[in-house]
Amino acid sequence: SAVISQKPSRDICQRGTSLTIQCQVDSQVTMMFWYRQQPGQSLTLIATANQGSEATYESGFVIDKFPISRPNLTFSTLTVSNMSPEDSSIYLCSVEWGKSFYFGPGTRLLVL
Amino acid sequence: AQSVSQHNHHVILSEAASLELGCNYSYGGTVNLFWYVQYPGQHLQLLLKYFSGDPLVKGIKGFEAEFIKSKFSFNLRKPSVQWSDTAEYFCAVMSVSGTYKYIFGTGTRLKVLA
Repeated sequence: SAVISQKPSRDICQRGTSLTIQCQVDSQVTMMFWYRQQPGQSLTLIATANQGSEATYESGFVIDKFPISRPNLTFSTLTVSNMSPEDSSIYLCSVEWGKSFYFGPGTRLLVL
Repeated sequence: AQSVSQHNHHVILSEAASLELGCNYSYGGTVNLFWYVQYPGQHLQLLLKYFSGDPLVKGIKGFEAEFIKSKFSFNLRKPSVQWSDTAEYFCAVMSVSGTYKYIFGTGTRLKVLA
């Protein structure tokens, strides 16, 4: 299985600011995914990030709000821009490995 | 559109009771099916998965799931739960054709009483 780490593990931010979340994988992977898990809800896919190409965003998510970088096969960042309290959530990085998906520990974000 | 339904949102059981959590999906094509578990304060872990072959799959910690294609279901079972099984359980479906994309169910929160 792939081992995934995320930074920061949690943060409290003021509305209007931005936060960049880092995801590091211990193996080279083609596709990385970013999910959001809002309180009491299931996981929602934000975007798919392939190395060397633009991220693909799901309906309801836009690049201006959630810019993603994928500079190499083991690393990705997700930025939550111009935050509002509605962005308070857990953000999860995920990779596909051996036809299964593995998840990072998540970044717990609280926006005041 | 693809969707995954988990009908039981909260389940409370006593230790040694049997568990069955329902998962139904809507998708006409071939799918891979998964169950994930999230223990309190921990991240999502893969419990078991079905790709093809024997529709009864066994996972970690004594869990198993049965794929019934005609019913579009992939229910999770455990014959005797333990207090340590207290967690949230998510069913997920991935279409084999097209892009790799998971669709998650809404989750079932299981509480096992000691």
